[in-house]
Amino acid sequence: KAGVTQTPRYLIKTRGQQVTLSCSPISGHRSVSWYQQTPGQGLQFLFEYFSETQRNKGNFPGRFSGRQFSNSRSEMNVSTLELGDSALYLCASSFSQGVFYEQYFGPGTRLTVT
Amino acid sequence: TQLLEQSPQFLSIQEGENLTVYCNSSSVFSSLQWYRQEPGEGPVLLVTVVTGGEVKKLKRLTFQFGDARKDSSLHITAAQPGDTGLYLCAAASGGSYIPTFGRGTSLIVHP
Repeated sequence: KAGVTQTPRYLIKTRGQQVTLSCSPISGHRSVSWYQQTPGQGLQFLFEYFSETQRNKGNFPGRFSGRQFSNSRSEMNVSTLELGDSALYLCASSFSQGVFYEQYFGPGTRLTVT
Repeated sequence: TQLLEQSPQFLSIQEGENLTVYCNSSSVFSSLQWYRQEPGEGPVLLVTVVTGGEVKKLKRLTFQFGDARKDSSLHITAAQPGDTGLYLCAAASGGSYIPTFGRGTSLIVHP
């Protein structure tokens, strides 16, 4: 079974631009979560989608948004990029929720904002 | 929001040594997970623990969940260079299943 895939793997953008990142979950997984990872803050939860609906949202500004399609693929968008948005953006998929919330992560998209 | 403290932050050891890393909080967790992340990759789930006092073994790795479900430890026996990576703990509490992650322990095992 193929793992979680994320595209692109690397991205360089200029401050003020916008960016869209893509995530394809493991086949059969309906939950997709997005995280931002930086050396200073570690892994921080952005949002989670299940069956095309946002179920949970972390403490990030409205410039960060996402969506999920009927095939469970997900995209996240960051508008008006700031230098501080430079980070590794990770997508994780899960079959279901509950106590055993076992997520499978993709390799991430490394975003650099200049 | 619960805070997960991991220690030590960095660890550099020789192949064959034993080590223990810790994950602590003042909050009680419903479940706790350990992940390993290698450079350029996403975290990979190693284990999930849910019962206070639970001990799980994965080859040379031993995971323990504290009796009060507020802390956990990961012990590696006879470390190998392939164990190199960032070890992250993540936990969920209350009614939320969204995990909070610690900042990790960066382990380097020298041959």
